[in-house]
Amino acid sequence: ELKVEQNPLFLSMQEGKNYTIYCNYSTTSDRLYWYRQDPGKSLESLFVLLSNGAVKQEGRLMASLDTKARLSTLHITAAVHDLSATYFCAVELNSGNTPLVFGKGTRLSVIA
Amino acid sequence: DTEVTQTPKHLVMGMTNKKSLKCEQHMGHRAMYWYKQKAKKPPELMFVYSYEKLSINESVPSRFSPECPNSSLLNLHLHALQPEDSALYLCASSRRQTYYEQYFGPGTRLTVT
Repeated sequence: ELKVEQNPLFLSMQEGKNYTIYCNYSTTSDRLYWYRQDPGKSLESLFVLLSNGAVKQEGRLMASLDTKARLSTLHITAAVHDLSATYFCAVELNSGNTPLVFGKGTRLSVIA
Repeated sequence: DTEVTQTPKHLVMGMTNKKSLKCEQHMGHRAMYWYKQKAKKPPELMFVYSYEKLSINESVPSRFSPECPNSSLLNLHLHALQPEDSALYLCASSRRQTYYEQYFGPGTRLTVT
């Protein structure tokens, strides 16, 4: 059974600081997704990571995937208040026709 | 058109009511999904349709009945729900069931009284 663990689950950080959210998973996979969710809203796709060593960047967010370590990171650079949200990673098994397994989410609060 | 739409946005229903949630996409995606999300929790998969056929049912109670009338439309029929079924119901679609990113709709906030 695929298990996905995110940490931290809660993160309060000051504006301008850097931080990293970690996503570990238990079974071989080379497909991992990061989503953002604002309170009461739907999930917005941030990054799709499809191979070992994949790195993607959008604004102040950068995501990477290490399939050998079964680890993905979401790095936040110089945080701003607008980044406050819940961030989910989701992993898809290499075998087909299996659902995405989501981590529990990291609730990020950026404070002045 | 790169969006998934859902109606209604909000729904309040009694335990004896019958209602339906609707989801639509016009991206040519052939996989569509229903998720249930409780507050401060990740989405939980309920159903997956692939090429208009039910592919995955995650042991969902029969009071939830999905329907996929065509490749663009997905319904979720609700009957005799319980208060604990109150949640945000999210629809998603992807080009195919595996190896493709899922796009989520805005959700229906359901309250069962």
